[in-house]
Amino acid sequence: DAGITQSPRHKVTETGTPVTLRCHQTENHRYMYWYRQDPGHGLRLIHYSYGVKDTDKGEVSDGYSVSRSKTEDFLLTLESATSSQTSVYFCAISESGGGQETQYFGPGTRLLVL
Amino acid sequence: AQSVSQHNHHVILSEAASLELGCNYSYGGTVNLFWYVQYPGQHLQLLLKYFSGDPLVKGIKGFEAEFIKSKFSFNLRKPSVQWSDTAEYFCAVKAGSGTYKYIFGTGTRLKVLA
Repeated sequence: DAGITQSPRHKVTETGTPVTLRCHQTENHRYMYWYRQDPGHGLRLIHYSYGVKDTDKGEVSDGYSVSRSKTEDFLLTLESATSSQTSVYFCAISESGGGQETQYFGPGTRLLVL
Repeated sequence: AQSVSQHNHHVILSEAASLELGCNYSYGGTVNLFWYVQYPGQHLQLLLKYFSGDPLVKGIKGFEAEFIKSKFSFNLRKPSVQWSDTAEYFCAVKAGSGTYKYIFGTGTRLKVLA
């Protein structure tokens, strides 16, 4: 267990509303990631962070923004939710150092956009 | 662009049958390779990983994988599956040491019949 929590775990929202998902880690890892998981697509990277205030886009970043003001928290925001953003969102951390970085995942957030 | 292919999308086996799930990646340089398992309703858990050295890697729950560099493959194997192995399996690749991005395959759903 890599000490990763996500909140909320489930959310139902309406199209056009803003939504923020939170990822919290307890072990001071430098790298944090947001993925979405959809049937037939596996996991797709939305955004990742390599330090406080340092973030970069993944392959499906349109419609999403992120912020990392503290090492332990990585927030994912859907500025104006759309039905295509209905998905399961996973946060991950990567242990760093020694060239053997490994990702570990949080429990996920199920988001339904009506 | 780097990619990971898992050609078997669905696999159905009887208990005690042998398992081999294929994973091929497209990247010519040094790679780090991973297999994750996702049980129904849960998050991804690390099964095994390869960084360097012995190309035959042993993981948890009796799984192993073999890295064949010439074939760009990292297939997952288990000699005798159990009903409890029913899950979705994901192969992932991190290309070299200059990136912290991980590329995932689309997953293979394994159903083991009791």
